[in-house]
Amino acid sequence: DAKTTQPNSMESNEEEPVHLPCNHSTISGTDYIHWYRQLPSQGPEYVIHGLTSNVNNRMASLAIAEDRKSSTLILHRATLRDAAVYYCILRDDNTGKLIFGQGTTLQVKP
Amino acid sequence: AAGVIQSPRHLIKEKRETATLKCYPIPRHDTVYWYQQGPGQDPQFLISFYEKMQSDKGSIPDRFSAQQFSDYHSELNMSSLELGDSALYFCASSLGLAAKNIQYFGAGTRLSVL
Repeated sequence: DAKTTQPNSMESNEEEPVHLPCNHSTISGTDYIHWYRQLPSQGPEYVIHGLTSNVNNRMASLAIAEDRKSSTLILHRATLRDAAVYYCILRDDNTGKLIFGQGTTLQVKP
Repeated sequence: AAGVIQSPRHLIKEKRETATLKCYPIPRHDTVYWYQQGPGQDPQFLISFYEKMQSDKGSIPDRFSAQQFSDYHSELNMSSLELGDSALYFCASSLGLAAKNIQYFGAGTRLSVL
């Protein structure tokens, strides 16, 4: 399975945008880029996913590099409730499972 | 909207006992995944089912077994429990196995083995 690399932790101020990077240099052409987050004491929660084009939804935006070897999850206005571990995960059609790597722990300061 | 239901939420067992965890997927979802999350660790994939057949297997101990029933709910059976089995167990469901499909997670079952 293709691997991802994320920073261990990041900090943000409330109401400011947050850019969470993810490197996936071994991504294959059929891998989808998924982002999930896990709030303290809760199950993982889907955030966003994409294949080649940038994606927007009510929670976040996903910017995918042209060569697809990296991507960035963008939270437009961080709130205290966005404090969580954010996981960048590659998925292909061979298996449906999610392989959780280290993730980025996001702290949001009031 | 209905979400993934896991029961029980908390379970306390003694070493060498057995435990059964249940997962009720979102209605019409035909795929169930089980994950284990130890203290301070990231979730690890255990096993998955698609249309009542096992679709993939991760690092699941031989002491554990699971199945998906005709109504698509799934049960994870754990025998000869060990202290190291203490963890959060998450179930997720999706509509099919495709890479673009979203997995929806339950709140988890916290298993404590004493």
